[in-house]
Amino acid sequence: GDSVTQMEGPVTLSEEAFLTINCTYTATGYPSLFWYVQYPGEGLQLLLKATKADDKGSNKGFEATYRKETTSFHLEKGSVQVSDSAVYFCALSDQSGNQFYFGTGTSLTVIP
Amino acid sequence: EAGVVQSPRYKIIEKKQPVAFWCNPISGHNTLYWYRQNLGQGPELLIRYENEEAVDDSQLPKDRFSAERLKGVDSTLKIQPAELGDSAVYLCASSRTGYEQYFGPGTRLTVT
Repeated sequence: GDSVTQMEGPVTLSEEAFLTINCTYTATGYPSLFWYVQYPGEGLQLLLKATKADDKGSNKGFEATYRKETTSFHLEKGSVQVSDSAVYFCALSDQSGNQFYFGTGTSLTVIP
Repeated sequence: EAGVVQSPRYKIIEKKQPVAFWCNPISGHNTLYWYRQNLGQGPELLIRYENEEAVDDSQLPKDRFSAERLKGVDSTLKIQPAELGDSAVYLCASSRTGYEQYFGPGTRLTVT
């Protein structure tokens, strides 16, 4: 079945460091891919998305490119801030849009 | 537009007691999801509604969990009786397209 695997945390970075959180997926057909962010005590917020191969999703300085050849959707940010501290979830929606799969989440802590 | 509304935000009950969670989705969103999120894990789908119809309830423990979405708008998820293992965050999400989901803040349930 379809699934998402993301790198385990926790990840701790200094402010202004470069961030990469790896995400790979297994799916048939052409899924849509998402990154969600969850701040402490809150629900998940959509951070960015990509619906087809080679699409780049971007928002708030974060980027991720849908790579079909490597079945990956890695999240990157060039310079993290303390306010980026949160848990990040990679997710997949199957081709029909009927099934949604989340990774286990990666906790990021950014220290001043 | 207003986001997904959930109540209560927190609930503490003793085991074997009943509990209910309420969700009001974003206006115009026909698809509604209930997820359970255990500590340190990603959300796991319990049930998905298309309007009033539960189209995927395969992961809902039907011996103790029930859900309804009367009139195709707001929804209630019930657990009766609750068990210790039901302690988790219960998330509601809604979608217009079936691909991009918007989440509420969740209800944190503690069963003692």
